[in-house]
Order: sequence, then C-alpha cells, then structure tokens
Amino acid sequence: EPEVTQTPSHQVTQMGQEVILRCVPISNHLYFYWYRQILGQKVEFLVSFYNNEISEKSEIFDDQFSVERPDGSNFTLKIRSTKLEDSAMYFCASTPTGGQPQHFGDGTRLSIL
Amino acid sequence: TQLLEQSPQFLSIQEGENLTVYCNSSSVFSSLQWYRQEPGEGPVLLVTVVTGGEVKKLKRLTFQFGDARKDSSLHITAAQTGDTGLYLCAGIDMEYGNKLVFGAGTILRVKS
Repeated sequence: EPEVTQTPSHQVTQMGQEVILRCVPISNHLYFYWYRQILGQKVEFLVSFYNNEISEKSEIFDDQFSVERPDGSNFTLKIRSTKLEDSAMYFCASTPTGGQPQHFGDGTRLSIL
Repeated sequence: TQLLEQSPQFLSIQEGENLTVYCNSSSVFSSLQWYRQEPGEGPVLLVTVVTGGEVKKLKRLTFQFGDARKDSSLHITAAQTGDTGLYLCAGIDMEYGNKLVFGAGTILRVKS
C-alpha cells in the first residue's frame, strides 16, 4: 500500500541552526500538510500546500518556517533558526483532494539542543 | 477556534471488556477521522465518518458520528491486548480549509 515517507527519522540540531525535514507524499496526491506534536501535547496543524503554494497556515507557522516542493516527489519543511521550543515530532501528510482523509508519515523527531 | 475534547484521557481495562471513547465539540465538522498511533510512529487512519448519524464498523470497532456532526464515539467490543494504543479523533471543517483539528487522544491499555 502506498505510504508517506519522511526522513530523517531523528534530527538533532544546535539551537540557531537551520534544519530541513523531508517528506515524500503518496504519488498521486495533490495536497500536502505538515503537523507537529510536542511531547505530551496534541497534534497541531502547521501548514497546507497545494498547487505549489501555501493554501493555509497556522499562527505557529511564522517567518522562521517555510515549505517547498523542490521537485515532483519531495515536500520539505525548513526551519531557519531553530529554537528549543521547536523540539517536537513533525508529521507530513497528504491527500488526493482537499477534505479527504489524510495519510501520515511516521514523522521526524526533531531535538534542539 | 475549533476544539475537539476527547474522553477519557486514559483507559485501562481487562481483555474481553467493552469500552467507549468519546470525541465532542461545540463546532460542526464536515467529516471526522479516527486514527490510531503507536509510539514512534505516525497516526494511522482507522475510519472516516461524514454523514450525521453515520455508523461504521471495523471488525470489533464501531464508530458513530453524531446527528449534528459535532461529536463522535468509538466503541470496542471484547477488547484484546492488541487494541492497546493511542486513539485520536480529528475533524475537518471545510469552511475553515482542509486542516485537521485533533483531540488530545485516549491512551488505551488492555491487560491480559
């Protein structure tokens, strides 16, 4: 069964450094999402992306964050200058059309030191 | 702000018992999904309910969407140790875009 894949599974970064999290959505899906889950807290929406542009973003998704679809298969989340509070699990999800059930990857655990 | 309140937060039961997990909101959702999440993995979709009053069954799991599309429940019959895990409800309101709003989750432990 097709699945969303995320790399790396665990990323350890010094505070202030840039980090790029990578996702390969399911191949025929057109809508892409990033969510994060801070340890012990709810899964929170960050951003949605369709037709090569951001369609929606939360207040968490500030100027430190950016997303990109650099080629036909990858979808990336960049954090420019990481802070301690960015430590979390980051999940990528995709759907074939808007409003459809979202399929999640296994996440990247981001640890900021 | 849309919120989904999930209850209970924790549930520890014996194998063979029945249980119900609830997901409630004051907001109306276009659809509601139930996910199961294992430690170190992403949420895995169990079911989507779309129509008010809809009931879906997945083996021993029964999912119901409230008539007003503001609440949902997950009922497990004759729980097994393999049902142990974190269960999440998440809703979409198409008027607010396609983002999922998640509940806090219910940690289920089934003891043998």
